Amino acid sequence: DAGVIQSPRHEVTEMGQEVTLRCKPISGHNSLFWYRQTMMRGLELLIYFNNNVPIDDSGMPEDRFSAKMPNASFSTLKIQPSEPRDSAVYFCASRQGEQPQHFGDGTRLSIL
Amino acid sequence: EDQVTQSPEALRLQEGESSSLNCSYTVSGLRGLFWYRQDPGKGPEFLFTLYSAGEEKEKERLKATLTKKESFLHITAPKPEDSATYLCAVHPSTSGTYKYIFGTGTRLKVLA
Repeated sequence: DAGVIQSPRHEVTEMGQEVTLRCKPISGHNSLFWYRQTMMRGLELLIYFNNNVPIDDSGMPEDRFSAKMPNASFSTLKIQPSEPRDSAVYFCASRQGEQPQHFGDGTRLSIL
Repeated sequence: EDQVTQSPEALRLQEGESSSLNCSYTVSGLRGLFWYRQDPGKGPEFLFTLYSAGEEKEKERLKATLTKKESFLHITAPKPEDSATYLCAVHPSTSGTYKYIFGTGTRLKVLA
């Protein structure tokens, strides 16, 4: 079975640019999560979707961050404008019901 | 406040030298505790779910145990390929059906 697929794997861009991260969850999974991982804070939940509907976006750090899930097989996380402190690894995870979350391999984002 | 603390932060073992990783948690109620393995440049990979005190799960050289306050991941006769960061996550019963709280992980290095 294909796992969670994220793209791009690496993104380097300049401060002020728009960044779009993409995620394809595992087929049949009805929940999707976006996380940010840093050395200092570990894994932090940014937003949670259930059946394509955003349920909890309290972890989104600022209005510069937005996420969408237009259908069951695709989600995006957008940062506009980006800042150096947004540099981190961003993970997408999905799950079915109350099964464990399964993670993609992340996008390593560097904002110069 | 719900909290997860992992110790030690880093651990170096000789091949064959058994040891344990600790995950201490403070939650008002526990729906589940999860162990993940994370290799460099990869997303967390699910290992185990534990639901109640006294429960144990095993997989190859790994055994996870759970008490009311902490979980241990025992590694028996480790091999260099067991080198990774091991993450613990708790699913508090107050968080609804979705929110995990992750520890910052234990970085394990097994030397040949």
